[in-house]
Amino acid sequence: QKEVEQDPGPLSVPEGAIVSLNCTYSNSAFQYFMWYRQYSRKGPELLMYTYSSGNKEDGRFTAQVDKSSKYISLFIRDSQPSDSATYLCAMSRAGGTSYGKLTFGQGTILTVHP
Amino acid sequence: DVKVTQSSRYLVKRTGEKVFLECVQDMDHENMFWYRQDPGLGLRLIYFSYDVKMKEKGDIPEGYSVSREKKERFSLILESASTNQTSMYLCASSLLGRIYEGQYFGPGTRLTVT
Repeated sequence: QKEVEQDPGPLSVPEGAIVSLNCTYSNSAFQYFMWYRQYSRKGPELLMYTYSSGNKEDGRFTAQVDKSSKYISLFIRDSQPSDSATYLCAMSRAGGTSYGKLTFGQGTILTVHP
Repeated sequence: DVKVTQSSRYLVKRTGEKVFLECVQDMDHENMFWYRQDPGLGLRLIYFSYDVKMKEKGDIPEGYSVSREKKERFSLILESASTNQTSMYLCASSLLGRIYEGQYFGPGTRLTVT
């Protein structure tokens, strides 16, 4: 079983829809939870991070972490064609010998059509 | 602005060849990482380095080696390329102790082994 599981998609939604992307994980030592966005033929770039449980909002994006359920989500409101990309969840333990190593989900391909 | 560059965007090599993939970062980051990205499998960590001349195996080190002689440069070596090493290779870097800033990725090298 993978440490991090992500809905594979692909996901296709109309412009303006609310998008929900999700990951589950099994390692209770994970403390940092991140979402990366990867456009075609580019490297991933950090979109949002959350430490421990809770919600974080940044514009149209909201990240949620539920450590009791080992479940994280990314919501995109009023989705735009420019949001079309692969979204990867990533997680890390805190400190020690983790050296900031990240464990990634498989990625979800999102297409927002006009 | 952090910049991570990779020596080639596309590379075609023959089975059995020795292959060098170079990565350079310009922000004095201590940590550097090599991943491969395959459809449905997400990013998988091959090797990482937290200091010059220091290296640690990731999840899939078999068939690969690395070299870090200078802080800004991290090389991935395929000693004898095989067709199952055809993949997208991504290099990343991060600051020690700043997990919340995530990793900064290069644009990737698409390697094809024939």
